[in-house]
Amino acid sequence: AQSVTQPDIHITVSEGASLELRCNYSYGATPYLFWYVQSPGQGLQLLLKYFSGDTLVQGIKGFEAEFKRSQSSFNLRKPSVHWSDAAEYFCAVGGVADYKLSFGAGTTVTVRA
Amino acid sequence: EPEVTQTPSHQVTQMGQEVILRCVPISNHLYFYWYRQILGQKVEFLVSFYNNEISEKSEIFDDQFSVERPDGSNFTLKIRSTKLEDSAMYFCASSGTAGNTIYFGEGSWLTVV
Repeated sequence: AQSVTQPDIHITVSEGASLELRCNYSYGATPYLFWYVQSPGQGLQLLLKYFSGDTLVQGIKGFEAEFKRSQSSFNLRKPSVHWSDAAEYFCAVGGVADYKLSFGAGTTVTVRA
Repeated sequence: EPEVTQTPSHQVTQMGQEVILRCVPISNHLYFYWYRQILGQKVEFLVSFYNNEISEKSEIFDDQFSVERPDGSNFTLKIRSTKLEDSAMYFCASSGTAGNTIYFGEGSWLTVV
């Protein structure tokens, strides 16, 4: 069975500080990994994805994530957080020919001035 | 940039009533999905649809639910005899192929009273 664990329910970070959100997955085959962001009352916006190749992937809004197969992790990072990054972040896993994504419970990020 | 559009953005319905949520997937996509997010909980897969039939469904997607592609552009989710616990954000999504990036709409908030 596939699953995603996001260990941090809520993170508070100061504007300009770095941010790292943790994601661990369980998947029986080669995983496809995604990070989505959801601002309050909004839909799910794709930040970045990993299918294969370079294990460090760049996304929109200055985010990056690193796939570590040995640790079954796909952590999301941003070097300098902006107030507009306050949102809920979801990690998700799927696979080739897989019809569905499994989502983690999400991490809520609060940015303080 | 192509996007998935959903209507209505918010619907309030009485318990026992039927609800139809509508979606226009990205035009060249072939796979369509519905996901659900109950307030404060993780995003859950409901159903995937390809070639005019359901390709996979979760245990949540029981006889109360049905999906349809009534024409070449729309994709609908029908919930018969709504229950209080059906209150959630319903996301429509689409992808070009199975296992490829899934793009989500803004969601339809359903409140059952």
